[in-house]
Amino acid sequence: NAGVTQTPKFRVLKTGQSMTLLCAQDMNHEYMYWYRQDPGMGLRLIHYSVGEGTTAKGEVPDGYNVSRLKKQNFLLGLESAAPSQTSVYFCASSSPDRGDYEQYFGPGTRLTVT
Amino acid sequence: KQEVTQIPAALSVPEGENLVLNCSFTDSAIYNLQWFRQDPGKGLTSLLLIQSSQREQTSGRLNASLDKSSGRSTLYIAASQPGDSATYLCAVRGSGTYKYIFGTGTRLKVLA
Repeated sequence: NAGVTQTPKFRVLKTGQSMTLLCAQDMNHEYMYWYRQDPGMGLRLIHYSVGEGTTAKGEVPDGYNVSRLKKQNFLLGLESAAPSQTSVYFCASSSPDRGDYEQYFGPGTRLTVT
Repeated sequence: KQEVTQIPAALSVPEGENLVLNCSFTDSAIYNLQWFRQDPGKGLTSLLLIQSSQREQTSGRLNASLDKSSGRSTLYIAASQPGDSATYLCAVRGSGTYKYIFGTGTRLKVLA
C-alpha cells in the first residue's frame, strides 16, 4: 500500500514550457486535491476533484489545468510555465467512507521555473 | 472568507517541556479540523483530526482540542523530544465545502 505518490520529485522548466505532474493513490479515495506551498504563505488549493471525471477550481487555479480520467489518478498541467509557478506542489486524497474526510498527502514535487 | 492563523510562527523549547501550539479560525461553521506535521523537504503527515462535534482527540503524547465558538484549536505535546522538531500545520474544512484552508504553520525546535 503505497498511499499517495507523486511524479516527478523535482523538475526545472524554462519559462513557456509545459509539463504534467502526476498524482496516484491506491486507497480508493473519492476526493483528490492539488496544493502549492510557498514560503510564508502556507498551502493553497489549486484544483480539486470529488470523483472520477469531475474537477473544480480552488483558491489559485490560474495557469493550471487538471484532469481526473481515472479514480486513482489526478493530473496537474502547466501549459506555459511562469517563474511565479516556482513552488512545491503537493497532492492529497481523502474519502467520505469513515465520515471524517481525513487528508493523506504525497511527498511533493519541487518545481523551479527559470 | 475563512482565515486560519497559527501563532507563534516559530518556537524553541528545551527537551522534556510540555507545550501548546495554537490555531485560530475566523468562521466557526466548520466540518472538521486536522493537524499535520511536516519535516523539512517532506510531505505532510496527519497527526489528529477533530470533527466539529468533538471537543478533543488524543494520540500518544499528542492531544488536540477544539472550541468552535471561540474559533480556536490547540495541539498539546507532552514531554517534548528532539524528534518532535518539525513544522506543525492546522487545516480547517468549512461546512458545506470540500476545501481545506491551511494556516502558515508553527516551526518547532526541541533542544536536547
